[in-house]
Amino acid sequence: QVQLMESGGGVVQPGRSLRLSCAASGFTFRNYAMHWVRQAPGKGLEWVAVISYDGRNEYYADSVKGRFTVSRDNSKNTLYLQMNSLRAEDAAVYYCAREGGERTFDIWGQGTMVTVSS
Amino acid sequence: EIVMTQSPATLSVSPGERATLSCRASQSVSSDLAWYQQKPGQAPRLLIYGASTRATGIPARFSGSGSGTEFTLTISRLQSEDFAVYYCQQYKNWPPWTFGQGTKLEIK
Repeated sequence: QVQLMESGGGVVQPGRSLRLSCAASGFTFRNYAMHWVRQAPGKGLEWVAVISYDGRNEYYADSVKGRFTVSRDNSKNTLYLQMNSLRAEDAAVYYCAREGGERTFDIWGQGTMVTVSS
Repeated sequence: EIVMTQSPATLSVSPGERATLSCRASQSVSSDLAWYQQKPGQAPRLLIYGASTRATGIPARFSGSGSGTEFTLTISRLQSEDFAVYYCQQYKNWPPWTFGQGTKLEIK
């Protein structure tokens, strides 16, 4: 079935880096733009980044611009989020999501938790 | 950036009754408005897009309405599985895609 599965979360010290992955299955990954959305503990949803279906275009939330990089490997059906210079306020569950035909997020992964703490 | 504001923050409704959730955009988003449901410990699920079109597999008791800056999600005849947090999201002007802060629907 259509599925997204994130991995790579964990505990990291402020200022360090972490790379998240999102493995897609059950659909033609290369045909879809993909997003990262995060949710801090007890808070709402915050859009983080998007990458076009072919990887040529990327956009970022102001809060992560210059620190995070989204990429994809269509041959591996995998989406990535490279997070550098992590801050306490980056601590959250990070979800990958597929952008459906209406530019909404029609498929979500189960999320991976990132904790930033010294 | 378009700011999305949801009300109320918490809504208490009895099972079997109707729930009405509101979402306001800081500027017109036409009908480019989606609703998501999130249960504790789970990822969000797309309910409504285009302000009023139910996503695949969403029961008919969920309905959306509105356009421009004012939107409503109505859940008729609430069932136990409907108690969750609901988010609206605009996708008219991007980036960024912006969400409301959420409405928690709780059992009265």
